[in-house]
Amino acid sequence: DTGVSQDPRHKITKRGQNVTFRCDPISEHNRLYWYRQTLGQGPEFLTYFQNEAQLEKSRLLSDRFSAERPKGSFSTLEIQRTEQGDSAMYLCASSVGQGSGELFFGEGSRLTVL
Amino acid sequence: AQSVAQPEDQVNVAEGNPLTVKCTYSVSGNPYLFWYVQYPNRGLQFLLKYITGDNLVKGSYGFEAEFNKSQTSFHLKKPSALVSDSALYFCVLHGSSNTGKLIFGQGTTLQVKP
Repeated sequence: DTGVSQDPRHKITKRGQNVTFRCDPISEHNRLYWYRQTLGQGPEFLTYFQNEAQLEKSRLLSDRFSAERPKGSFSTLEIQRTEQGDSAMYLCASSVGQGSGELFFGEGSRLTVL
Repeated sequence: AQSVAQPEDQVNVAEGNPLTVKCTYSVSGNPYLFWYVQYPNRGLQFLLKYITGDNLVKGSYGFEAEFNKSQTSFHLKKPSALVSDSALYFCVLHGSSNTGKLIFGQGTTLQVKP
């Protein structure tokens, strides 16, 4: 399968713990995105990278959230000191080239904070 | 402010009948508009996009969408619904090619009954 892969698919953690999600985009896709989706809502933009550069961050991305894409390939999203409100599906997507191209989404990483 | 609205939480259609899923948008400048579909336990999948050109856009699985600038709408249509079309549909606005931020509507659940 050469699609976008995310790991882990499910994570249950206790409030206050740190969690990290990994996203492997489609190879040669230079853009990588993170979105968050809560139940009954559409996905909300968190951040995006072009190659290794983080070009845009949403105000939703508090200081507890950090994303990296160190070599312009895979990306990690870390949440420190998790809160119950962080419970959501975290979606990764990738795309190629400029502008308004199609995004290819992974199946998501579901986080439950107890 | 840029926004997209899907006024119906759910649309029910009988198999074989035409379907319409509504979407309106608000943006300054020319919009880039997309429809994505989300099947249970599957990642979001691209259906179609409008960038410029013909107002009627054809996409995957027999879906099409009509861009109407005067009504700021981008309704999704299909002439003959299938039970397998049952899923969650998102209208998506990309306000500018310079941003990675897609703005998703809240989603409309399409239920096609045999």
